[in-house]
Amino acid sequence: NAGVTQTPKFQVLKTGQSMTLQCAQDMNHEYMSWYRQDPGMGLRLIHYSVGAGITDQGEVPNGYNVSRSTTEDFPLRLLSAAPSQTSVYFCASSSPARLSYTFGSGTRLTVV
Amino acid sequence: AQSVTQLGSHVSVSEGALVLLRCNYSSSVPPYLFWYVQYPNQGLQLLLKYTSAATLVKGINGFEAEFKKSETSFHLTKPSAHMSDAAEYFCAVQKSTGNQFYFGTGTSLTVIP
Repeated sequence: NAGVTQTPKFQVLKTGQSMTLQCAQDMNHEYMSWYRQDPGMGLRLIHYSVGAGITDQGEVPNGYNVSRSTTEDFPLRLLSAAPSQTSVYFCASSSPARLSYTFGSGTRLTVV
Repeated sequence: AQSVTQLGSHVSVSEGALVLLRCNYSSSVPPYLFWYVQYPNQGLQLLLKYTSAATLVKGINGFEAEFKKSETSFHLTKPSAHMSDAAEYFCAVQKSTGNQFYFGTGTSLTVIP
């Protein structure tokens, strides 16, 4: 019963590099989302998906891409990393019936 | 747009004292409301949720929150703080339909021995 698994836990990138943050859930949840957490700003929604093949933008989507080819996986791609993307990233999933999120343990990303 | 406001980014209480963390929401209809807790270097865990049943909601670890429609508030309380309660607390609101959550900016709770 793993819940939501995020990898890697820590990552350092150079400006301009690309990478993918992985998120997988084993609860058959339809809804998945990515948040970034910055001091004093709480959690801000980057992208979300209401099911396989369906994604949409949240509050702060610029610089990030997502895809949802399966119910289980929802990767977040940084196309060209910038120092402003230094943050802690959380993936979360939920099903409508549960009315709550299950969060991953986060990925701490530093862009230098 | 739905939003939540958490008053006080930092709250300090003595061990054994009352914990009160404030949350107000803006919504034209009563939404679903949540409190989450985040311990250092961890993800968020659900403390409790209000989904239009009883207005006083009891959660884990002795926490509870009361939904007050007239005040558009959902404050989190605990009668007696414990050292292990030191963490960051987030209030969140969700539309009654759909799954999009909106989080407050968080309140960091310090418990003084």
